[in-house]
Amino acid sequence: GAVVSQHPSWVICKSGTSVKIECRSLDFQATTMFWYRQFPKQSLMLMATSNEGSKATYEQGVEKDKFLINHASLTLSTLTVTSAHPEDSSFYICSANRELTDTQYFGPGTRLTVL
Amino acid sequence: GENVEQHPSTLSVQEGDSAVIKCTYSDSASNYFPWYKQELGKRPQLIIDIRSNVGEKKDQRIAVTLNKTAKHFSLHITETQPEDSAVYFCAASRGTYKYIFGTGTRLKVLA
Repeated sequence: GAVVSQHPSWVICKSGTSVKIECRSLDFQATTMFWYRQFPKQSLMLMATSNEGSKATYEQGVEKDKFLINHASLTLSTLTVTSAHPEDSSFYICSANRELTDTQYFGPGTRLTVL
Repeated sequence: GENVEQHPSTLSVQEGDSAVIKCTYSDSASNYFPWYKQELGKRPQLIIDIRSNVGEKKDQRIAVTLNKTAKHFSLHITETQPEDSAVYFCAASRGTYKYIFGTGTRLKVLA
């Protein structure tokens, strides 16, 4: 159990377009999901905490109007990168907490390339 | 602010030797300490975790130790194998709360 999926696994887009990434918990309900970005050879940087039915909590320095997060159900959170630019190119990974547990289970990641 | 320091950043060991990775955390309210292994281009996978009410935990070749007073915790891998080569991340958390990740250790096991 505790499987998290992400879609798409990779995406290439033109500068100025918006990209939506989905994160799903397949076999459990996740009241909290997290969105990270990871640059090559670097650690995971938390962008925001997504809570089902409420607004996401963004980390300092992360633009909430640029990285829109929606957590509409207990199994789905989405991250939309609006007006993407080449500097937004990165590996975006989501994770989810199983209800009432400490452990985060990670999705496979989405590699975003903005041309 | 909260942070987790992780050392070393790179580690090369001969196959069969042991590897030790150390982390230090700053938030004294942290009570959950997971370790993740990440292979290139893949998702981080939980390999072991420890809670603050325990000083040591072992799972086959992997063990984690925690010193709450010093705010240190360490990952120990014995009898290393080439498939242990990956990047390892430690993290500290206040339970069902966000993780603060370490900077990662790139482990290379030489055959």
